[in-house]
Amino acid sequence: AQTVTQSQPEMSVQEAETVTLSCTYDTSENNYYLFWYKQPPSRQMILVIRQEAYKQQNATENRFSVNFQKAAKSFSLKISDSQLGDTAMYFCAFVMYSGGGADGLTFGKGTHLIIQP
Amino acid sequence: DTGVSQNPRHKITKRGQNVTFRCDPISEHNRLYWYRQTLGQGPEFLTYFQNEAQLEKSRLLSDRFSAERPKGSFSTLEIQRTEQGDSAMYLCASSLLGQGREKLFFGSGTQLSVL
Repeated sequence: AQTVTQSQPEMSVQEAETVTLSCTYDTSENNYYLFWYKQPPSRQMILVIRQEAYKQQNATENRFSVNFQKAAKSFSLKISDSQLGDTAMYFCAFVMYSGGGADGLTFGKGTHLIIQP
Repeated sequence: DTGVSQNPRHKITKRGQNVTFRCDPISEHNRLYWYRQTLGQGPEFLTYFQNEAQLEKSRLLSDRFSAERPKGSFSTLEIQRTEQGDSAMYLCASSLLGQGREKLFFGSGTQLSVL
């Protein structure tokens, strides 16, 4: 079974700073996807960024980027120039890829990120 | 694209009652997923459909939980004989197989409180 571990229950940084959220996962599979989701107080899960395991290049989406270390099974999220609207729970998630079907995402327990003005 | 819609937003029920939640996915999406999220935890996968076929249901929490997607469009999740431990947020998500299907779009959830 796959597991996803987020070791930082809560983090707090000043607006405009850069912050890195950690995530490690455990799997014996080779084809999979990794994700970071954001859940603001409205509780709707919003996709922030995703990474295909077969791609060596780290994914980026504007101020968000990842550091994907496949051998170490590490998948951290870096938020640059943090903004007040980035305050939310952030979940790391994993899914195996198989063309004929797949389980749902496996989520970590989340990191509560607080951006201070 | 009107997004994933879930109804009701909140449901309060007494222990032992049956409850049913509805999810309307994004119209062209053929995959639909149900998750449960308890306070302080990440979502927990329950089941999913591809069109009307339920491809995974072993992760449903007990035989009191069942889900349907009769015409491959909307889906319902039913909990029979509710217990206080069923209190949680129930999230629905949808995706399009074959085109970034792993990119799930989530609804706002149904918050269930069992008294």
